[in-house]
Amino acid sequence: DIQMTQSPPTLSASVGDRVTITCRASQSIGSRLAWYQQKPGRAPKFLIYEASSLEGGVPPRFSGSGSGTEFTLTISGLQPDDFATYYCQQYNFYPWTFGPGTKVEIK
Amino acid sequence: EVQLLESGGGLVQPGGSLRLSCAASGFTFITYTMSWVRQAPGKGLEWVSTASGGGGLTYYADSVKGRFTISRDNSKNTLYLQMNILRAEDTAVYYCAKVGGANTLYDALDIWGQGAMVAVSS
Repeated sequence: DIQMTQSPPTLSASVGDRVTITCRASQSIGSRLAWYQQKPGRAPKFLIYEASSLEGGVPPRFSGSGSGTEFTLTISGLQPDDFATYYCQQYNFYPWTFGPGTKVEIK
Repeated sequence: EVQLLESGGGLVQPGGSLRLSCAASGFTFITYTMSWVRQAPGKGLEWVSTASGGGGLTYYADSVKGRFTISRDNSKNTLYLQMNILRAEDTAVYYCAKVGGANTLYDALDIWGQGAMVAVSS
C-alpha cells in the first residue's frame, strides 16, 4: 500500500501569510494526487486534483505542485476562512490513501 | 445541483450489522465511480471502498475486506454500504463521495455527502 505523509502536522500562521504544506508518497504516484480542506464538523471540500489543477470555484490563492513522490499545497495570502485541516490523497493505486492531515491554526 | 445524502447510520452493538445508503441527485449516476470514506472521532480520513459506475468492479480497504460490501442500484441512483461484524474501531462518520471524472476508476473525490455517524458500542 502507498503510505502518505504530511508535514508539518500543525502550522501556526497569520492572516496574509504564505503557507506551504508538503505531502510525500512512499512510491511514485505520478500526478494522481488531490488536496482537500476540512473544517470541524463538516465534510471535506475538494480543492485540487492532478496535483496542480484547481477545482472550479476554489480561490486562486490555493495552488498545488509536484509529481512522483513529493507534492506541495501553497496558500498565498492566508484568509480567515482558510484556517482548517488539509489532507492529501493519492488515487493512483488501490487502496487509495490519505495523508494524516495538516492543521492550519491562527497564530 | 449535485447532491449526495447519506442515511442509515446509528448505534449498533459489536458484531452487529448496518446498511448505509447514499442517495445521489443532479448527475448521471451510472457514469460515475462512487466511494465511501470514513473518519473516526478526532482522526483523519480513511478510504473504505469504491465501486465502478456499473458496480461490477469494487475495491476495499484491508480493514473492512470480508466484512463490508459496497453496492449500487443505478435505477434508484443510490449507493450502499453493507457493514457486517461491526467492531468498535468501525465507529466513525461515513461519507459517500463521487469521483470527478466520468467513466474512470482513478480520480479525485469532488462531491461529498454530509456524512452518517456509525457508533459501535455495547
